Order: sequence, then C-alpha cells, then structure tokens
Amino acid sequence: GQQLNQSPQSMFIQEGEDVSMNCTSSSIFNTWLWYKQDPGEGPVLLIALYKAGELTSNGRLTAQFGITRKDSFLNISASIPSDVGIYFCAGQLRLNTDKLIFGTGTRLQVFP
Amino acid sequence: GAGVSQSPRYKVTKRGQDVALRCDPISGHVSLYWYRQALGQGPEFLTYFNYEAQQDKSGLPNDRFSAERPEGSISTLTIQRTEQRDSAMYRCASSLRTGQQPQHFGDGTRLSIL
Repeated sequence: GQQLNQSPQSMFIQEGEDVSMNCTSSSIFNTWLWYKQDPGEGPVLLIALYKAGELTSNGRLTAQFGITRKDSFLNISASIPSDVGIYFCAGQLRLNTDKLIFGTGTRLQVFP
Repeated sequence: GAGVSQSPRYKVTKRGQDVALRCDPISGHVSLYWYRQALGQGPEFLTYFNYEAQQDKSGLPNDRFSAERPEGSISTLTIQRTEQRDSAMYRCASSLRTGQQPQHFGDGTRLSIL
C-alpha cells in the first residue's frame, strides 16, 4: 500500500538535544498529522495541521505543513527519555474521504 | 468504555481458516476505521465507516477481506481462507465526526497465520 517517505528512519540522541524529522510525498495532501506510537500500543495524535504553511506547537513539539502541501516536519526540543518511541506522519489525501496515508516511521531513542 | 476496544488481542490460526476481528469504538463516535500494520511499518488503511455505511473500502487487499458495522457501533473485520501473508497487527480507530481529528486507535489484534 501507499506510504509516505519519512526520514530519518531512526535517531539516537542524548537527553536535552533537539530532534527534527520530516515527511515527503509526491501527492498533495489536505491535512498533515503527526502521531507517536509506544511499544504495544496504538498511535496517539500529537499535532494536526490543516493549512499550507501552518506552524503549530504542542509543548516541546512544533510541526509545519509545507507550502507545497507535499511535505511536513516535526521538531522536538530539549528531548527527554519519555520521547522514546516511533513517530509517524500521516496525510489526508482528499477532502471527500477520511482515509489516512501513514509514513514509514522514525524510531527515536533518547539516552540519558 | 474509555477507549477503542479490540478483541481478541492475539489470534493464532491455521492457514485456510476464517477469522473475525472485533472493534468496539468509543461510545458516540460516528466514524470507524480499520488499518493493518506490519512490523516496523506505519498503519495501512483498509476501510472505514460512517455510522453503518461503509464509505471507502479501497484499502481491502482482496475479496477475502470484508468488514461490517450493522448497527453503527461495533464493527467486525472478517478474513476468509486466511493465508500466511495476512499475518499482521490489525488496528481499529474511531473519531467523533467524519473527518474530525483525532482518530483514536485501539491496541490492536495481533493475527498470526501458521
């Protein structure tokens, strides 16, 4: 099935460092979403973006909806151990369907 | 319940058997979604419902897969004549309204076909 290109595939960082990951597509999306998944659990929504160029923050997280509507990035500032997990971007392709296309995921490991 | 509930949590069955996976969405949620997630991959859309109506089934891999939500609440995903390639985590999600975020995900059913 179709998946968005997400990079990097994995990151190993020290506590306190900032993190940046991004997601790209060959298609235009109407909505971009960022989810986090902990082991054994379902994905949980972190940030939702609805307009091209939109920049939204949620605590230490900041995400942007790219101007071309074909990409998005997520930044995490001052990482902490509980940031460990897999981060997925997801996009809604068309307005007349709730179908979401997910990215391939970025696995984040934070060392104390 | 408080969240999306899926059962069983684990299902192991022999190739060729039929399986039925159940999803109980958050009470009052109109929209219900089914995804399949392979190990190390993101969820892959299968199908979704608004109330009892199946809106989009473009992600169902083939005609062995079907889903229903007859009363607009609980949904069942059925896989007939299972094959080893059907092994995956099957996740259900629900949202309050059509197109409204977030989609709340359940903990999934881990399906293993021997």
